[in-house]
Amino acid sequence: KAGVTQTPRYLIKTRGQQVTLSCSPISGHRSVSWYQQTPGQGLQFLFEYFSETQRNKGNFPGRFSGRQFSNSRSEMNVSTLELGDSALYLCASSWLGLAGVEASVRTEQYFGPGTRLTVT
Amino acid sequence: DAKTTQPPSMDCAEGRAANLPCNHSTISGNEYVYWYRQIHSQGPQYIIHGLKNNETNEMASLIITEDRKSSTLILPHATLRDTAVYYCIVRLQTGANNLFFGTGTRLTVIP
Repeated sequence: KAGVTQTPRYLIKTRGQQVTLSCSPISGHRSVSWYQQTPGQGLQFLFEYFSETQRNKGNFPGRFSGRQFSNSRSEMNVSTLELGDSALYLCASSWLGLAGVEASVRTEQYFGPGTRLTVT
Repeated sequence: DAKTTQPPSMDCAEGRAANLPCNHSTISGNEYVYWYRQIHSQGPQYIIHGLKNNETNEMASLIITEDRKSSTLILPHATLRDTAVYYCIVRLQTGANNLFFGTGTRLTVIP
């Protein structure tokens, strides 16, 4: 079974520009989460999508957004890039079982290799 | 999710067992202990998880104390490829599907 793939792997952008990163989860996984990793802040949760809906969001400004498509592939977008947005952006997928309307069973997450974004 | 405490770094000789401790004194009864590792510049990799019983898989063993306030991840025969940052995470089995990573333990396997 193919793992989580992320494109592009490396990206250089200029301040003020916007960027879109893509993530393809493991086949059958419907949950996709995004994380940002920087030397100063470590790994931080950005948001999670499940069945094309954002289920949970971390503490990041509105410049960070995402979406999920019907095939579970996900994109995240960062607008008006700042130097501090330089980071490794990681995507993780997991299978979620639904137990009732609200509850869901967490399982382990499988991470992609990440996209290294450099903002100059 | 409960907070965890891990030593910032550890060394281990190649071929020996690596024992990585984690304290989670505020863990609640229905929270699981998860371990991930991150090899340099790669995405984190799931290793193992458990609730109260000891667990073993092809990668590692997880020993959880009886009071569940601490746990130890054991890599039975460490290799150079096990050099990585190891994260201990405590989380509920239901609810939001996000991981809170701490600073982890940087394990260096020495030849």
